[in-house]
Amino acid sequence: KAGVTQTPRYLIKTRGQQVTLSCSPISGHRSVSWYQQTPGQGLQFLFEYFSETQRNKGNFPGRFSGRQFSNSRSEMNVSTLELGDSALYLCASSLILAGGPNEQFFGPGTRLTVL
Amino acid sequence: KNEVEQSPQNLTAQEGEFITINCSYSVGISALHWLQQHPGGGIVSLFMLSSGKKKHGRLIATINIQEKHSSLHITASHPRDSAVYICAGHNTDKLIFGTGTRLQVFP
Repeated sequence: KAGVTQTPRYLIKTRGQQVTLSCSPISGHRSVSWYQQTPGQGLQFLFEYFSETQRNKGNFPGRFSGRQFSNSRSEMNVSTLELGDSALYLCASSLILAGGPNEQFFGPGTRLTVL
Repeated sequence: KNEVEQSPQNLTAQEGEFITINCSYSVGISALHWLQQHPGGGIVSLFMLSSGKKKHGRLIATINIQEKHSSLHITASHPRDSAVYICAGHNTDKLIFGTGTRLQVFP
């Protein structure tokens, strides 16, 4: 079974631009979560989608948004990029089973550099 | 104070040594994840546990719910175990991460 894939793997943008990152979950997984990793803040939760609905959102400004499609693929968008948005963006998918938390499977990440 | 804290931040060991990484949390969680991150960024889920102990090969994870504490043990460490180990609390459909422990195992 193919793992979680993320595209692109690397991206360079300039301040003020916007960017869209894509995540394809493991087949059958309906939950996709997004995380930001920076040297200063470590790993932080951005948002989680399940069945095309955002169920949970982290403490990030409105410039960070996302969506999920009917095939469970997800995209996240960052508008008006700032230097501080330079980070590794990771997505993780999980198979939602009733009765409790589920293991998350991570993609390789998209490394975004904002100049 | 972070909601999930790890210690130590950095750890060096000689091949063959027994290694322990600790994680404590102050927030309510339904499970505790241990993750491994190699240079380059990829994250692998090692364990997810809600109680007791789990073992996979040379890796053992334990959790004490009452004390809000978890440990990751590596027996007979090997240079290929060199990585960053991250614990994360599962809290209402999101993970809250510790700051990670950078482990280097020397031959």
